Amino acid sequence: QSALTQPASVSGSPGQSITISCTGTSSDVGGYNYVSWYQQHPGKAPKLMIYDVSNRPSGVSNRFSGSKSGNTASLAISGLQAEDEADYYCSSYTSSSTLVFGGGTKLTVL
Amino acid sequence: QITLKESGPTLVKPTQTLTLTCTFSGFSLTTSGVGVGWIRQPPGKALEWLTLIYWNDDKRYSPSLKSRLTITKDTSKNQVVLTMTNMDPVDTATYYCAHIGRAGLTAQDYWGQGTLVTVSS
Repeated sequence: QSALTQPASVSGSPGQSITISCTGTSSDVGGYNYVSWYQQHPGKAPKLMIYDVSNRPSGVSNRFSGSKSGNTASLAISGLQAEDEADYYCSSYTSSSTLVFGGGTKLTVL
Repeated sequence: QITLKESGPTLVKPTQTLTLTCTFSGFSLTTSGVGVGWIRQPPGKALEWLTLIYWNDDKRYSPSLKSRLTITKDTSKNQVVLTMTNMDPVDTATYYCAHIGRAGLTAQDYWGQGTLVTVSS
């Protein structure tokens, strides 16, 4: 299975909104509503931000939202804050009954 | 409160077998829908999913590493053990274990702090 495709980097100014894409195939992202998003700050363990495409775990800000269209899932962050600067990874269930991560996206808050 | 912690050697030699233990608390691996997975991250690189085990002993493995990986659980000790054979320097990474089950059946909702394993002679 190949890693899901994410942009290497995105940036935005405080208060702005950004979107991070995650492109797979019909055998993973497009075939199941089991896409998750993780935030990782340097030297820290990843944190779950979105699960099952668009659900937020308790305690995650509603500035984070997820969606999917075809083989591409997206993570949107509104009202950017300095603390949002981190690496973001998507993950999907696959037709092989396994999981796969994306290559990660570095978010810079200008 | 769910917590997980990885333990094992920090340095292994090429061709050796790595054994890592994930010791957890705050949940039971006998509860329906619960699982524990392993994920690794080479220095400066992306996360890579390795394997997971569910409450019913259902096991899943990364296709690219399947021949080298074994995952087992000991519910009496609240532990999950990862074994990876024939270690190579490219396997140098931080290895994480994570809980599955509070946010659907596939999302890793609680993570351990990770343990850095270096493969070098």
